[in-house]
Amino acid sequence: AQSVTQLDSQVPVFEEAPVELRCNYSSSVSVYLFWYVQYPNQGLQLLLKYLSGSTLVKGINGFEAEFNKSQTSFHLRKPSVHISDTAEYFCAVGSFGNEKLTFGTGTRLTIIP
Amino acid sequence: SQTIHQWPATLVQPVGSPLSLECTVEGTSNPNLYWYRQAAGRGLQLLFYSIGIDQISSEVPQNLSASRPQDRQFILSSKKLLLSDSGFYLCAWSATHLSSYNEQFFGPGTRLTVL
Repeated sequence: AQSVTQLDSQVPVFEEAPVELRCNYSSSVSVYLFWYVQYPNQGLQLLLKYLSGSTLVKGINGFEAEFNKSQTSFHLRKPSVHISDTAEYFCAVGSFGNEKLTFGTGTRLTIIP
Repeated sequence: SQTIHQWPATLVQPVGSPLSLECTVEGTSNPNLYWYRQAAGRGLQLLFYSIGIDQISSEVPQNLSASRPQDRQFILSSKKLLLSDSGFYLCAWSATHLSSYNEQFFGPGTRLTVL
């Protein structure tokens, strides 16, 4: 069985400040990891994904995430946020042969002008 | 390129009325298909997924059902809506070949309000 924990349900950040959204996972097998973003009243859009190889993954809109196997984490970071980054962010985990992804409960990122 | 459509975009229905939400995918064949629900202020709940026509798995017992009449069409239905069925319904697809790593692609969603 797999599980994903996003400890922070809400994260307020000042504009142009850095941000880190935390994601921890649990799995007995090798995993694939994803970060999705959801803007209000829209579907989810893929930000970035880790499948294998380099543990530092770069995505769209200046976001990056680092896979840490020993800490079972996949935290999302951005060095300088903008108002347009206001959204809900979901971490998800998948594994080989499993048609489903397991999603975290989401983190609402609010940018303060 | 692949696209995924959902309709209607918004829907207001009385309690006890039937429901039919439609999802179609273009530009791919034999996709895995998924229905999720987001209740207000809550995360994603997987309702159904399908790995092929007539192969539908239910994740949560409820008064909803799903059907896949065509390869790229996925329908979510109910005979009698409950107030608790209100929410944002998302359809998603993933490719079935193993190299897809089951990355899911989401539709724009349907906002359902049951009064």
